[in-house]
Amino acid sequence: KAGVTQTPRYLIKTRGQQVTLSCSPISGHRSVSWYQQTPGQGLQFLFEYFSETQRNKGNFPGRFSGRQFSNSRSEMNVSTLELGDSALYLCASSPVSGGYNEQFFGPGTRLTVL
Amino acid sequence: AQKVTQAQTEISVVEKEDVTLDCVYETRDTTYYLFWYKQPPSGELVFLIRRNSFDEQNEISGRYSWNFQKSTSSFNFTITASQVVDSAVYFCALGRRPNTGNQFYFGTGTSLTVIP
Repeated sequence: KAGVTQTPRYLIKTRGQQVTLSCSPISGHRSVSWYQQTPGQGLQFLFEYFSETQRNKGNFPGRFSGRQFSNSRSEMNVSTLELGDSALYLCASSPVSGGYNEQFFGPGTRLTVL
Repeated sequence: AQKVTQAQTEISVVEKEDVTLDCVYETRDTTYYLFWYKQPPSGELVFLIRRNSFDEQNEISGRYSWNFQKSTSSFNFTITASQVVDSAVYFCALGRRPNTGNQFYFGTGTSLTVIP
């Protein structure tokens, strides 16, 4: 079974631009979660999508948004990029939604904002 | 509020030494789940173990063992006879009860370096 894939793997943008990241979950997984990982902050939860609906949202500004398609693929969008948005963005999938779930992580997208 | 604390930011050990990674959590939920993940240099987090709040039995898997103590809100991870391949960042995480969706709280991670 193919793992979680994320594209692109690396991205360089400048302040004020917007960016879209993509995540394809493991086949059959309906829940996709996004995390921001920065040094010293660990993994911070952005949001979770389950069956095309946002189920949970972390404490991030509205510039961060996402969506999920009927095939469970998910995209994350960040508008008006700031220097502090430079981070590794991780996507994780699980078969269903619930706090007991083992999550399967992708390799991440490394975003650098100049 | 939920919180996971991994006080050890970086640890270095010599190969074959034992090492314990500490994890302390905070929650008022009575049902919750605790996890450990490993993030090798390649970047992908890999699931290691899950415990639910009603199961305080310690677990051993090869060289890995976990000690869950509700009385001290701790879920510590011990690697016995460490190997160079154990070098990675280890994250402890807390999951809330099932009907709140995938809501996980991660610690800031402990970077383990095993020196040959």
